[in-house]
Amino acid sequence: AQSVAQPEDQVNVAEGNPLTVKCTYSVSGNPYLFWYVQYPNRGLQFLLKYITGDNLVKGSYGFEAEFNKSQTSFHLKKPSALVSDSALYFCAVRPSGGGSQGNLIFGKGTKLSVKP
Amino acid sequence: DGGITQSPKYLFRKEGQNVTLSCEQNLNHDAMYWYRQDPGQGLRLIYYSQIVNDFQKGDIAEGYSVSREKKESFPLTVTSAQKNPTAFYLCASSKRTWASSGANVLTFGAGSRLTVL
Repeated sequence: AQSVAQPEDQVNVAEGNPLTVKCTYSVSGNPYLFWYVQYPNRGLQFLLKYITGDNLVKGSYGFEAEFNKSQTSFHLKKPSALVSDSALYFCAVRPSGGGSQGNLIFGKGTKLSVKP
Repeated sequence: DGGITQSPKYLFRKEGQNVTLSCEQNLNHDAMYWYRQDPGQGLRLIYYSQIVNDFQKGDIAEGYSVSREKKESFPLTVTSAQKNPTAFYLCASSKRTWASSGANVLTFGAGSRLTVL
């Protein structure tokens, strides 16, 4: 079965330190990979995506993610965390090559807490 | 500004009642989606529509119904058949997704929180 795993329910980081939010996937073919962020009681906002090409993808608010095909991972990273980065982060994957249109598979989310 | 508007933001329902959640977009997107969010479970797809007058069931369609009479609107009805309707409901839209363009980004509304009393 196709799936996305975010192994950490919560990540705690001190402000100014680097952060990593982990994501691994299991899908057939070459996937499209996404990261979204959700602030309390709000909808999700798009951060970045990987389609093809350079394995390091840069996105909004200084975030970046590294696609690793051999490890089937797409970890989200930021060199220096801000308190305002505290939110719920979702990894999502869509298998390429057709199938159900738009049926992204979402991970369960990782709560990021950045302390001053 | 273009975007998606969901209403109401908060809704309370008595058991046995049907309720309808509104979703309107002015992004000129063909595709629209409804997701349900429960704590610790991520997002689960309820229904989606790629074009007006057509929609498909998602992973958890039982107890829900939708219509797509206009491109801009995709209302969701939570029926009395839905046994555990208390959740946060998110509407999203995107450009129409073809096999060669599966990387289309979803734009989400702010959500509607439904509570069953």
